[in-house]
Amino acid sequence: SQQGEEDPQALSIQEGENATMNCSYKTSINNLQWYRQNSGRGLVHLILIRSNEREKHSGRLRVTLDTSKKSSSLLITASRAADTASYFCATDSGGYIPTFGRGTSLIVHP
Amino acid sequence: EAGVAQSPRYKIIEKRQSVAFWCNPISGHATLYWYQQILGQGPKLLIQFQNNGVVDDSQLPKDRFSAERLKGVDSTLKIQPAKLEDSAVYLCASSRARTGVSYNEQFFGPGTRLTVL
Repeated sequence: SQQGEEDPQALSIQEGENATMNCSYKTSINNLQWYRQNSGRGLVHLILIRSNEREKHSGRLRVTLDTSKKSSSLLITASRAADTASYFCATDSGGYIPTFGRGTSLIVHP
Repeated sequence: EAGVAQSPRYKIIEKRQSVAFWCNPISGHATLYWYQQILGQGPKLLIQFQNNGVVDDSQLPKDRFSAERLKGVDSTLKIQPAKLEDSAVYLCASSRARTGVSYNEQFFGPGTRLTVL
């Protein structure tokens, strides 16, 4: 079964806007990761946030984690056309083997 | 450094036929993973190797799927016989040795897109 579920399933924005996607999960986790997948570069790891962390930044990415609500969000600021991809959250309960959700498909229009 | 290599990139077969996929991980990466990604879903782990030993194959349909990593480097995933529902992208990933208490990032290959007719 897939642990994390992303929302929305699809998101369409204009270049320069911010994109926010959410992930909800059901059971306690050790870590939550966000991945990006596009046809050109395959699946790429973006960021990992541990269960005792609340927020992490990496460049234009900001990830938050609320363990009380069992949810995480990924914010991409000042989006670019190159950010067009599917974004997956993946959780693990120890052992660092991620269980992926179905993903959010992001389209950034130039 | 070179990334994870997979071949073939695309494969079309008829049901009940056999197929094999090949993966060459990043040099020095002891851990290798095979994932199945069905259209519209996230990747699902099929099997994990640590060197040439199997760590987790709980989600591998063993009646038709097999995988090996004989010398602890390259790996092959085989399906025999294939079913229509095996149509998916098969992703290979590798990471440095996983200690269980620290995170080692997984690096994914481009995948093999399998179509079963």
